[in-house]
Amino acid sequence: GEDVEQSLFLSVREGDSSVINCTYTDSSSTYLYWYKQEPGAGLQLLTYIFSNMDMKQDQRLTVLLNKKDKHLSLRIADTQTGDSAIYFCAEKLRRAGGSYIPTFGRGTSLIVHP
Amino acid sequence: DAGVTQSPTHLIKTRGQQVTLRCSPKSGHDTVSWYQQALGQGPQFIFQYYEEEERQRGNFPDRFSGHQFPNYSSELNVNALLLGDSALYLCASSQTGWEKTNEKLFFGSGTQLSVL
Repeated sequence: GEDVEQSLFLSVREGDSSVINCTYTDSSSTYLYWYKQEPGAGLQLLTYIFSNMDMKQDQRLTVLLNKKDKHLSLRIADTQTGDSAIYFCAEKLRRAGGSYIPTFGRGTSLIVHP
Repeated sequence: DAGVTQSPTHLIKTRGQQVTLRCSPKSGHDTVSWYQQALGQGPQFIFQYYEEEERQRGNFPDRFSGHQFPNYSSELNVNALLLGDSALYLCASSQTGWEKTNEKLFFGSGTQLSVL
C-alpha cells in the first residue's frame, strides 16, 4: 500500500529526548523528510535525509534511516515546550505520471510537559 | 519575500455550494501543489500545476479542479460541496525539477473550509 505509518501520540517531559518513529513504503524513495505543524499553521520542513545516508544531525535533531527495514526516526534532544506540535514523516514517491510527489504519514502529536 | 500565501484563511459553506481557494507561490517558484488535510490526518495530495496545466493528480473526484495563471498563482475549485470536504486545504510551491533534487517544498498556512 501507499501508507506511511507513524505512532499517533508521544508525551515527554521537558528536557528529555523525544524519538518519533516512521515506517515508509518505497525502498527506492530518494529523500525522506520530517515536517512540523503547529496549531493553525501549515507545514514547516524541519530536516531531511538522503537515502544513501544512515544518519544526519542538525543541532538538536538527529535523523536515523534504516533502509532495510524502511524505518525512519527523528530524535529531538533536550525537548522544549515549544517543540509541542505534530510531526509528519514524508517520502517522495514516484507516481505513474513520472512526477515525484511527497506522501505524508498521519502525523505524531508530540506533547511536552514541564 | 512573502513566502506562500493563501486566501481566505477561513471559509464556511453549505452542502452543494461551490468554493474557490487561492494561492500565491513563493517568489521564484513555478510549481504549485494542493493538499487536503482532514482533521487528525496527514496531507493528501490533490493535484499539481506547472506551466498552467495539471501535471499530476491524486485520488480526488472531478469535483476538485484547479487552475494556474501566467504569474504562477493558482486556484482550487470544489463543486457540489459535501460535508466530508471540510478540511484544511494546503498549497505548496516548488521549483520545477524539485522532484529530482532536494529543493525545499514550501507550504502556506492553509484555508480552513467548513461545510455545514
